[in-house]
Amino acid sequence: DAGVTQSPTHLIKTRGQQVTLRCSPKSGHDTVSWYQQALGQGPQFIFQYYEEEERQRGNFPDRFSGHQFPNYSSELNVNALLLGDSALYLCASSSYRGGAEYEKLFFGSGTQLSVL
Amino acid sequence: QKEVEQNSGPLSVPEGAIASLNCTYSDRGSQSFFWYRQYSGKSPELIMSIYSNGDKEDGRFTAQLNKASQYVSLLIRDSQPSDSATYLCAVKDSSASKIIFGSGTRLSIRP
Repeated sequence: DAGVTQSPTHLIKTRGQQVTLRCSPKSGHDTVSWYQQALGQGPQFIFQYYEEEERQRGNFPDRFSGHQFPNYSSELNVNALLLGDSALYLCASSSYRGGAEYEKLFFGSGTQLSVL
Repeated sequence: QKEVEQNSGPLSVPEGAIASLNCTYSDRGSQSFFWYRQYSGKSPELIMSIYSNGDKEDGRFTAQLNKASQYVSLLIRDSQPSDSATYLCAVKDSSASKIIFGSGTRLSIRP
């Protein structure tokens, strides 16, 4: 049973560039949430996708956008990168049909983004 | 802004002792609470969930919830060096389908 997979593992970009991060949810899961985790901090909620739509959004600027595909995989796009965007980006999947179970998040290994 | 507060630590506990981790939250309507463990350089892993007031035990772990005080705790009995990690308290937002995390408590088990 494949877990949550994310790619790439590491990424180095320069200010002003654009980046796309990818996530495949755990088998049987249909909901994908993205989090940003700065060093020494807890994960901060970016947004959540279900049925190919953004269902919830955290306090992140419009430079952060996403997409969910029919196979439930998801992308996170960040435009006009700033130095402060350097962080670990985590994808978490869950099952919306699972009742209370849907609240349990399964995380991928993350993408470490460095903006120079 | 709904918040989850944790003492950042580090919390140092001798091997074999009980480690006690605490968390408070601001969303009075929250009904679902979680503890995640995150090893250095790794992603968070769910270790406990609790939904009702009182205690919930799973092996060496006990989660405690007091909704009136908006307080959640995690006890780890017979602490092992492998328990050394950052423990993240997480709360389900009562008005949205998102999970809010605290900043984590770093736990160190000394031999």
